[in-house]
Amino acid sequence: AQSVTQPDIHITVSEGASLELRCNYSYGATPYLFWYVQSPGQGLQLLLKYFSGDTLVQGIKGFEAEFKRSQSSFNLRKPSVHWSDAAEYFCAVGAGYQKVTFGIGTKLQVIP
Amino acid sequence: GAVVSQHPSRVICKSGTSVKIECRSLDFQATTMFWYRQFPKQSLMLMATSNEGSKATYEQGVEKDKFLINHASLTLSTLTVTSAHPEDSSFYICSASRYSRGATYNEQFFGPGTRLTVL
Repeated sequence: AQSVTQPDIHITVSEGASLELRCNYSYGATPYLFWYVQSPGQGLQLLLKYFSGDTLVQGIKGFEAEFKRSQSSFNLRKPSVHWSDAAEYFCAVGAGYQKVTFGIGTKLQVIP
Repeated sequence: GAVVSQHPSRVICKSGTSVKIECRSLDFQATTMFWYRQFPKQSLMLMATSNEGSKATYEQGVEKDKFLINHASLTLSTLTVTSAHPEDSSFYICSASRYSRGATYNEQFFGPGTRLTVL
């Protein structure tokens, strides 16, 4: 069965600083990988996804993620964080036909 | 495209009552819908998968008699929490996927969630 590990439960960064959120997955075949963002009390918004092709994926709101098969990782990055980026971020892996498994999430706090 | 709505967005009910949550795909036909539950400060846990016109498949540990799922049409799935208790209080999120011919993976599109509070 697939699994997702987000080792950082909580991250604090200063506004304007760069950001990297870590995600490691476990799956026997080629995974479908996702990053979602969730604001308090809200549903999930898809930031980006990787299905195949270029391992560096561009998403919305200036986010990007890089798929590294050798490291089983799909880390999310943003060069300059804005206060509005404060939210919970979930990495997810899709496997089989459609089933998705989520990581525990990383809560991002942005300080002025 | 690929918009999913949920209704209601928030519901408060008394212990012992039943609550129905609707999930609709607004601009596509959803062959499969999923129901997740998210407890505070935790991740989303899949409760069940429902395919239009057939019985839902429940994940291990989810009581099918307590969480009734109906997927009566290609745009609507409902989750009914029967005889709700305070421990059922949670954030319930649905998602829907549409069939794409030849696709090896059908992406899920998520609804905005329903906050259930059982007093």
